[in-house]
Amino acid sequence: DIQMTQSPSSLSASVGDRVTITCRASQGIRNDLGWYQQKSGKAPKRLIYAASSLQSGVPSRFSGSGSGTEFTLTISSLQPEDFATYYCLQHNSYPWTFGQGTKVEIK
Amino acid sequence: QVQLQESGPGLVKPSETLSLTCTVSDGSISSYFWSWIRQPPGKGLEWIGYIYYSGNTKYNPSLKSRVTISVDTSKNQFSLKLNSVTAADTAVYYCARVDYYDKIPVNGFDTWGQGTMVTVSS
Repeated sequence: DIQMTQSPSSLSASVGDRVTITCRASQGIRNDLGWYQQKSGKAPKRLIYAASSLQSGVPSRFSGSGSGTEFTLTISSLQPEDFATYYCLQHNSYPWTFGQGTKVEIK
Repeated sequence: QVQLQESGPGLVKPSETLSLTCTVSDGSISSYFWSWIRQPPGKGLEWIGYIYYSGNTKYNPSLKSRVTISVDTSKNQFSLKLNSVTAADTAVYYCARVDYYDKIPVNGFDTWGQGTMVTVSS
């Protein structure tokens, strides 16, 4: 199985901060990676697909980059509604696997 | 905008079979892949498997011996059966639609149901 390792596991940030979350794959996955946001008690929501494509309706402050084994999700200016847990997902090889999650909390 | 809704028992006894259904509304189940994902309380997400509307399936090897995913296109529904459950199967179960291109699943899950909590306990 491909292991997806996210860092950090959690972070505290203030509104307006630039936030970066990293996801590393245990082997190359081309750009077969997505980023998902999950708020407490809710279903995940896709933010980014194909590593860097913004899901329709998602604010442009979210961006993704990377290819191969290292990927990044960036929130350019953190907003109150962005406090949530973020997961990466690889769908390059079976079984599809998620990162362990990064919880973004209010400082 | 397609919507997904999970349904099924919220409590299952150990060693029995967990059965859930996902109803697809405001869209057709045809031409897409459909998936189940679960999340134990306070933990991360685990992909269970998917089914193409034609019936082809792919399962996570960690669950493959206990899982069956099926589709009923006449009802616009797909279903999950997980047998011989234990407390470790206690989780929120989500159904989701998988993007596709040229009959190949791509880009992961673009639409999710709200999830349903299933507890395994006697």
